[in-house]
Amino acid sequence: DTEVTQTPKHLVMGMTNKKSLKCEQHMGHRAMYWYKQKAKKPPELMFVYSYEKLSINESVPSRFSPECPNSSLLNLHLHALQPEDSALYLCASSQEETSGSPTKNIQYFGAGTRLSVL
Amino acid sequence: EDQVTQSPEALRLQEGESSSLNCSYTVSGLRGLFWYRQDPGKGPEFLFTLYSAGEEKEKERLKATLTKKESFLHITAPKPEDSATYLCAYKAAGNKLTFGGGTRVLVKP
Repeated sequence: DTEVTQTPKHLVMGMTNKKSLKCEQHMGHRAMYWYKQKAKKPPELMFVYSYEKLSINESVPSRFSPECPNSSLLNLHLHALQPEDSALYLCASSQEETSGSPTKNIQYFGAGTRLSVL
Repeated sequence: EDQVTQSPEALRLQEGESSSLNCSYTVSGLRGLFWYRQDPGKGPEFLFTLYSAGEEKEKERLKATLTKKESFLHITAPKPEDSATYLCAYKAAGNKLTFGGGTRVLVKP
């Protein structure tokens, strides 16, 4: 089973709202990731958590706030977003963040949350 | 600078018409070359990982190969359900998974 579950599937929010995206995996993976994907573009890395600690922040604006409460859960808290933040937000997980074994580096993606900021 | 380039950007095939997608890379310290399939509005689905030049992997109508500079995804006798965007990505010493621009494949019946 390589399932990563993301909720909600769709989200519409105003620029003053606060909302959260949720991601869950039960594969025992110790690395989890947030990506942003605009239409007809590849996914772009936002954050990486490894063993529940923030490992990489790709200079993401502070209106995006990640949280990793435990090894199975990853949240992305959203506040004061702009219309240009509308995109598909993808969560992924892998056994390890980095490993000499390519198999452990395989990232499995969830179906994403389609976010629209009005 | 590490980079990966996919070609063509788009590919229209007739059902049964075999073809190949190209992923050219310039990466120091490659820790894996990955192929994903993505359907519209969904997350990428893992297909293959390749690590060493000469390596080949197959799954149904898809076959991925790796040289020191390129990876190819061969689609043999495609069916309409093979229509998707195919993404290649690399993982290097910096630990990030970096994606190419993708190839949009449309297979017509």
